[in-house]
Amino acid sequence: DVKVTQSSRYLVKRTGEKVFLECVQDMDHENMFWYRQDPGLGLRLIYFSYDVKMKEKGDIPEGYSVSREKKERFSLILESASTNQTSMYLCASSLPGPVYEQYFGPGTRLTVT
Amino acid sequence: GENVEQHPSTLSVQEGDSAVIKCTYSDSASNYFPWYKQELGKGPQLIIDIRSNVGEKKDQRIAVTLNKTAKHFSLHITETQPEDSAVYFCAAKEDFGNEKLTFGTGTRLTIIP
Repeated sequence: DVKVTQSSRYLVKRTGEKVFLECVQDMDHENMFWYRQDPGLGLRLIYFSYDVKMKEKGDIPEGYSVSREKKERFSLILESASTNQTSMYLCASSLPGPVYEQYFGPGTRLTVT
Repeated sequence: GENVEQHPSTLSVQEGDSAVIKCTYSDSASNYFPWYKQELGKGPQLIIDIRSNVGEKKDQRIAVTLNKTAKHFSLHITETQPEDSAVYFCAAKEDFGNEKLTFGTGTRLTIIP
């Protein structure tokens, strides 16, 4: 079974702090994604990566950056956390191709106070 | 870019009855339409998908229909059971060269025993 793990289930940070969210997948997938999930807004793509050291902006990249130094690991970075970044963050991975399944981690509930 | 609308946002049905969730998409180039189910405390998981060259697909109690002319697709769950209670997301994928999925805003389905 594919397994996608996220470093924390719950995280509380203060405004202005630098925040790292880590995601690891164990199935050698090329693609990795970071989404945020907010009530009524669904899943919105922040960034994705289709290879090591490669990244592309999603629909809401402002205020975030990412890092992918190894194929299995994809990090989301909030350079200076703000209260409007309080949300559920979901990581996913997949194989490349026209028809593919995204495998999601359990999510990190981030609260910025 | 692609825009996916999903209705209703909440749905309650009696156990044993059927549930239908509808989505519309904007980009006629989209050719892959998956449905994900998110149970409480977990990440979304793929339950069924359909490609644009197919009008309907079934898997036991769930089915998906696609109308490319009208740009809409629907999820049908028959003989609903308590374990069907979850949040359901539809999604659309633009083209072969694009790894992005665009998700709908989600439907919270509650099965009433």
